[in-house]
Amino acid sequence: DTGVSQDPRHKITKRGQNVTFRCDPISEHNRLYWYRQTLGQGPEFLTYFQNEAQLEKSRLLSDRFSAERPKGSFSTLEIQRTEQGDSAMYLCASSWGLAGNYEQYFGPGTRLTVT
Amino acid sequence: SQQGEEDPQALSIQEGENATMNCSYKTSINNLQWYRQNSGRGLVHLILIRSNEREKHSGRLRVTLDTSKKSSSLLITASRAADTASYFCATDPYQTGANNLFFGTGTRLTVIP
Repeated sequence: DTGVSQDPRHKITKRGQNVTFRCDPISEHNRLYWYRQTLGQGPEFLTYFQNEAQLEKSRLLSDRFSAERPKGSFSTLEIQRTEQGDSAMYLCASSWGLAGNYEQYFGPGTRLTVT
Repeated sequence: SQQGEEDPQALSIQEGENATMNCSYKTSINNLQWYRQNSGRGLVHLILIRSNEREKHSGRLRVTLDTSKKSSSLLITASRAADTASYFCATDPYQTGANNLFFGTGTRLTVIP
């Protein structure tokens, strides 16, 4: 399968712990996006990378969140000192293009539960 | 907010009937996209319509876009039980240039066999 993959699929953690998620995009895609989706809502944009550069961050991305994309390949999203409000599905997507109209391909997501 | 808003929030139809979902948004856009999300699964891209297009077809899907009214509609013809899912419109706002998508809250479609 050459689609977007995410790991782990599920994560349960205690409040205050740190968690890290990984996303492997479609190999030829230069753009990578992170979104968060809570129950009954649509995904909300968090941040995006073009190659290895993080070009935009949402106001939703507090200083407890950090994302990296070393060498423009896979990406990690780390949440430090997790809070119960961080419980959500974290979705990764990738696309190809420098500008213009391109669809995004989404991974299956990582469901985070903070207890 | 740059989110799209879908209407209705939930829709239940019999297999074989057509389903129409509407989306309204607030800002100028590069394009508008429709995605489907099955229970427990990721989002699947259905169709992209650019701001200079008015209608687009893909299989049993028909999407219209009216930029003067800032609205779009998704029509699924001859629905099947497998079409049961949540459908989201997502806008790519003109000013960001980053192709970040802003999603609505979705329409939950149930197709009864």
